[in-house]
Amino acid sequence: EDKVVQSPLSLVVHEGDTVTLNCSYEVTNFRSLLWYKQEKKAPTFLFMLTSSGIEKKSGRLSSILDKKELFSILNITATQTGDSAIYLCAVEGRYGGSQGNLIFGKGTKLSVKP
Amino acid sequence: DAGVTQSPTHLIKTRGQQVTLRCSPKSGHDTVSWYQQALGQGPQFIFQYYEEEERQRGNFPDRFSGHQFPNYSSELNVNALLLGDSALYLCASSFRLGYTFGSGTRLTVV
Repeated sequence: EDKVVQSPLSLVVHEGDTVTLNCSYEVTNFRSLLWYKQEKKAPTFLFMLTSSGIEKKSGRLSSILDKKELFSILNITATQTGDSAIYLCAVEGRYGGSQGNLIFGKGTKLSVKP
Repeated sequence: DAGVTQSPTHLIKTRGQQVTLRCSPKSGHDTVSWYQQALGQGPQFIFQYYEEEERQRGNFPDRFSGHQFPNYSSELNVNALLLGDSALYLCASSFRLGYTFGSGTRLTVV
């Protein structure tokens, strides 16, 4: 059965700290791995990763994928209170030659204290 | 450019009733997927619609059904509501690569 496991499930840090969120997966017919930030309702897109070892960066956030060891990490440096949210990791499978569905982990709830 | 629009935002229903949720995809997107997110859990895949047909389905009972219209908008119908159906229902649209999510419909079954 396909599964995505995130750790830790919750994390409390202080402003300025650096955090690393983990995502491991067992998914047949892997197509991509995606990270989303969910503050209230709509998950908002952060990164899509398809190739191993290529770091993607956006401001203070970065992510990398290891397709051999089947995991990804999301790093946030110099955290701010606005980073407080649930971070979701999802893996997209293949459906023939088309997009497959997303398999989500339970999420990591990050709380950043002032 | 409008993103994914879902309606209604909140809904309260009684056990046994039926409910219809609506989704308008992002402009240019032709595929619509529905997810159920229970409190404290990640979203769970319900089904995906493409070219007005259900293309993939997750592990949900037949009480959950859907439809996609020629303009790519979609509906999710849930019959014989159970307390356990209380959740945030998310719609995601896509075109070949990536998914854009709507803000969801919060369904409470009492």
